[in-house]
Amino acid sequence: DIQMTQSPSSLSASVGDRVTITCRASQGISNYLAWFQQKPGKAPKSLIYAASSLQSGVPSKFSGSGSGTDFTLTISSLQPEDFATYYCQQYISYPITFGQGTRLEIK
Amino acid sequence: QVQLVESGGDVVQPGRSLRLSCAASGFNFNNYGMHWVRQAPGKGLEWVAFISYNGINKFYADSVKGRFTISRDNSKNTLYLQMNSLRPEDTAGYYCAKVATPYSNYVGFDYWGQGTLVTVSS
Repeated sequence: DIQMTQSPSSLSASVGDRVTITCRASQGISNYLAWFQQKPGKAPKSLIYAASSLQSGVPSKFSGSGSGTDFTLTISSLQPEDFATYYCQQYISYPITFGQGTRLEIK
Repeated sequence: QVQLVESGGDVVQPGRSLRLSCAASGFNFNNYGMHWVRQAPGKGLEWVAFISYNGINKFYADSVKGRFTISRDNSKNTLYLQMNSLRPEDTAGYYCAKVATPYSNYVGFDYWGQGTLVTVSS
């Protein structure tokens, strides 16, 4: 199975900040990488697929990059609604696996 | 617009069975693979199972293989998860999710349902 490791596990930031979350795969996954946002008590929301492509309706403040084993999610100009937990996911092979999540909190 | 509505979650005793449903609308269900993903209370996301658009290809997490069965009825636009021999560690919110590209087994998700809660406890 491919292991996905996110860092940091939690992150404190202020409104207006720019933050970056990292995801590392235990083996190369090309660009078969997605990012999701989840708010407490809510279903996950798809943000990015193919490592860097925004899902329809997702604002351009979210951006993804990377290929192979190392990936990043960057969120610019944080707003209150951006404080949530973020997950990466690989879908190049089954079982599909998720990172453990990064909790983004307001400083 | 795309809607995925899960149902069937309940409180059940260990060893019992339960069937979850996911009613789909707003897209051509026949053309898209579907996933089940679960989340234990306070924990992260765990992929459970996938079924291809035509029901031929199915994949399962090792943690549920042999106990859970994913299926679909394209005439009813509905996805199912039959869960047998339930264990306390199966306690979780269960989400269905749609893949983004038709006819493909190795693509990302785009839409998720709101989830249904399964509690396995004596």
